[in-house]
Amino acid sequence: TQLLEQSPQFLSIQEGENLTVYCNSSSVFSSLQWYRQEPGEGPVLLVTVVTGGEVKKLKRLTFQFGDARKDSSLHITAAQPGDTGLYLCFGAGGSNYKLTFGKGTLLTVNP
Amino acid sequence: NAGVMQNPRHLVRRRGQEARLRCSPMKGHSHVYWYRQLPEEGLKFMVYLQKENIIDESGMPKERFSAEFPKEGPSILRIQQVVRGDSAAYFCASSGQNTGELFFGEGSRLTVL
Repeated sequence: TQLLEQSPQFLSIQEGENLTVYCNSSSVFSSLQWYRQEPGEGPVLLVTVVTGGEVKKLKRLTFQFGDARKDSSLHITAAQPGDTGLYLCFGAGGSNYKLTFGKGTLLTVNP
Repeated sequence: NAGVMQNPRHLVRRRGQEARLRCSPMKGHSHVYWYRQLPEEGLKFMVYLQKENIIDESGMPKERFSAEFPKEGPSILRIQQVVRGDSAAYFCASSGQNTGELFFGEGSRLTVL
């Protein structure tokens, strides 16, 4: 059973466009992390959101944690080719290490 | 570099050989996790260890796979009698507490011929 659903699975856009990716679950999390993974590298932690309704901004990236702490979104403004990568969400709380990462959203930003 | 260190980065083995993957956690971290990743897929949990203890190995195949995190030295993921289906990237992550904030190594890519 996949506990974390990410959508879309694949996304290919042009430089300068905006995009939103989603991470949804039926489980409540104490916190949720977003990671980005580039080809041949390990995932890198982008942000942790903890409070329901929380919004965090990291330059052109905006992360939101749902009010019920079951879902999250990542919005990228004016995407650049350097944003290309696999975006993974991961929920923490309880046996969080078992909550296998979602399959991720593979983002390609074309110049 | 105080990050999570994995070696080797690339490992080629023939069917039936053994593969040993090593992971040194970030300084000060006592929790180590191993994940496996197939191309264009997410990360699949394998095992969670603390020093000298296996906390949860429910994601690890019961045969041929083993993991340890000794009091001294790196954590080791061992795969005996490798088969082609073991070819994958194996990532190690560490955390200071079981907070969910994981810091990953760059992975070990195993290719079984």
